[in-house]
Amino acid sequence: QPVLTQSPSASASLGASVKLTCTLSSAHSTYAVAWHQQQPGKGPRYLMKIDSDGSHIKGDGVPGRFSGSSSGAERYLTISSLQSEDEADYYCQTWGSAIFVFGVGTRVTVL
Amino acid sequence: QVQLQQWGAGLLRPSETLSLTCAVSGGSFTNYYWSWIRQSPGKGLEWIGEINHSGNTNYNPSLESRVTISVDASKRQVSLKVNSLNAADTAVYYCARGITLAFDYWGQGALVTVSS
Repeated sequence: QPVLTQSPSASASLGASVKLTCTLSSAHSTYAVAWHQQQPGKGPRYLMKIDSDGSHIKGDGVPGRFSGSSSGAERYLTISSLQSEDEADYYCQTWGSAIFVFGVGTRVTVL
Repeated sequence: QVQLQQWGAGLLRPSETLSLTCAVSGGSFTNYYWSWIRQSPGKGLEWIGEINHSGNTNYNPSLESRVTISVDASKRQVSLKVNSLNAADTAVYYCARGITLAFDYWGQGALVTVSS
């Protein structure tokens, strides 16, 4: 089954940009990945799904400052013009070998 | 507006059975698979299994022997049962709507604690 690798933490200043990386295991480098946001004390929220060619489909109501891209086995989530409410955990997720799998999440801190 | 509302018992003893229900409002019920996912400090997010309106199920092999997911399409509800509970089953349990390769709506979550 696929394995997703994420850095445990990232930080950036209010109004700046941050780029999060999710790396697929080498045997699954062409897989699509979804990103989910989990604000403190809340359930996850779907942000977008990113294909290997970088095309992405956003969820309902996801602000335009969230964007996705792809390079090789890496799938990126970029948050531009960081807001205080963007301080959250961000999980990537994919499907393979008949199960859904998640990364361990990246905690984003807004400085 | 799609909403998933969950409920079920929160404090259970080892060896008991967890039972949760998720009611779906808004959007189509028949066009999607409905998943259960749990989140614990030790194991992060873990997919449990899914079901569609016809009762077709897929389970995570790591939990399949203890899990039953069922559906009542007339009520737009899906349910989860996990038997032979132990402390490692302590987690927040979520229901979620499945789209191709992902989940686009999540329930609010239900904390289940297994303790003697």
